[in-house]
Amino acid sequence: QVTLKESGPGILQPSQTLSLTCSFSGFSLSTYGMCVGWIRQSSGKGLEWLANIWWNDDKYYNPSLKNRLTISKDTSNNQAFLKITNMDTADTATYYCARTRITTVVTDWFAYWGQGTLVTVSS
Amino acid sequence: DIQMTQSPSLLSASVGDRVTINCKASQNINKYLNWYQQKLGEAPKLLIYNTNNLQTGIPSRFSGSGSGTDYTLTISSLQPEDFGTYFCFQHNSWLTFGSGTKLEIK
Repeated sequence: QVTLKESGPGILQPSQTLSLTCSFSGFSLSTYGMCVGWIRQSSGKGLEWLANIWWNDDKYYNPSLKNRLTISKDTSNNQAFLKITNMDTADTATYYCARTRITTVVTDWFAYWGQGTLVTVSS
Repeated sequence: DIQMTQSPSLLSASVGDRVTINCKASQNINKYLNWYQQKLGEAPKLLIYNTNNLQTGIPSRFSGSGSGTDYTLTISSLQPEDFGTYFCFQHNSWLTFGSGTKLEIK
């Protein structure tokens, strides 16, 4: 059974760096074809893809946010991480992690999601 | 960037109705189009991948169609548990979600 769970600070101040953790089970990020991505959802902008990290450590970032994002993983502990620098009130959102898997037949983009963690940026 | 435009943004329907939700891409996305359902307070759930493939466990009343820039999600006979918000998602070039269609009880 695949499960994912996000954790974060809940609230932070403008200009601070957001650090998020995705703890997962039921798969390994060292297995061929696996990927964990981050997506956020705010009332103003809907769903927005942020970044992906693949089993081979390939990383992809949303071009509009690339300069602020860093994605990484700890395969031994089944975790993925996302850092976002210079947070602003506009970054207030629920942040999700989700799993993707490539097979020879299909890529099941974001077939499994965590419950999300709300991050509020406020002074 | 590929922009995804959904219509309508709000849809009122009754149990048993046939419902269609549309998604238009700003350029050809080669059928790399998924549909997700989200209920209040929950994460999105994958319904359909690559335009017309039903995800495991999803009822057959859901179907998808389309090509090029225009795609449709159809629910053949609306059930009470189908109310929520639906998002399209393209994975042809980078990754972009549509703005969502809220399906509510009429």
